[in-house]
Amino acid sequence: EVQLVESGGGLVKPGGSLRLSCAASGFSFSNAWMNWVRQAPGKGLEWVGRIESKTYGATTDYAAPVKGRFTVSRDDSKNTVYLQMNSLKTEDTAFYYCTTGNRYFDLWGRGTLVTVSS
Amino acid sequence: DIQMTQSPSSLSASVGDRVTITCRASQSIDNYLNWYQQKPGKAPKLLIYTASSLRSGVPSRFSGSGSGTDFTLTISSLQPEDFAAYYCQQSYSTPITFGQGTRLEIK
Repeated sequence: EVQLVESGGGLVKPGGSLRLSCAASGFSFSNAWMNWVRQAPGKGLEWVGRIESKTYGATTDYAAPVKGRFTVSRDDSKNTVYLQMNSLKTEDTAFYYCTTGNRYFDLWGRGTLVTVSS
Repeated sequence: DIQMTQSPSSLSASVGDRVTITCRASQSIDNYLNWYQQKPGKAPKLLIYTASSLRSGVPSRFSGSGSGTDFTLTISSLQPEDFAAYYCQQSYSTPITFGQGTRLEIK
């Protein structure tokens, strides 16, 4: 089955860290560009960052609000993409989705909730 | 950054109505414009990519048009399952940006 499954969300204090994982199955993960998109409760969609396939050098790119704090990485041997989140702020509270694609996002996971609160 | 502005922010319509949602980019994005549908508690789903290409499996009542800075999503005859939020997204350049969303509600 073609799917993405996120895990690793939870409650964390401001200033803390969390690592999200997204396990892929059913498609050629090593050729896929992988993105993270978040959605604060009741709000719209916000692109967080992406990692290109290794063919393109596994280059990463980030949205300004998370640059320097978040890191996207991938392990093609495990068909998994990660989002390492450091120095978390209350405004990072959101559902985090992983999604595939370069020019458009055609496969999404169900998301994992990250709550940053003291 | 490229700003994406959707209108309206919310819309009330009836089953069978024809509905149009617009999306304007702050600069030309060629045809790198995608539309997503999101139902409450669910992940977004791709409907239209590169402005006018219908994703496989998406009903033909959905269509997209436009290029440059102005784009539209049209639903030709609303069905009960179409009541949801809709987002446009530009993929012309990073940071990839989304419109603020349009909430389509039952009248």
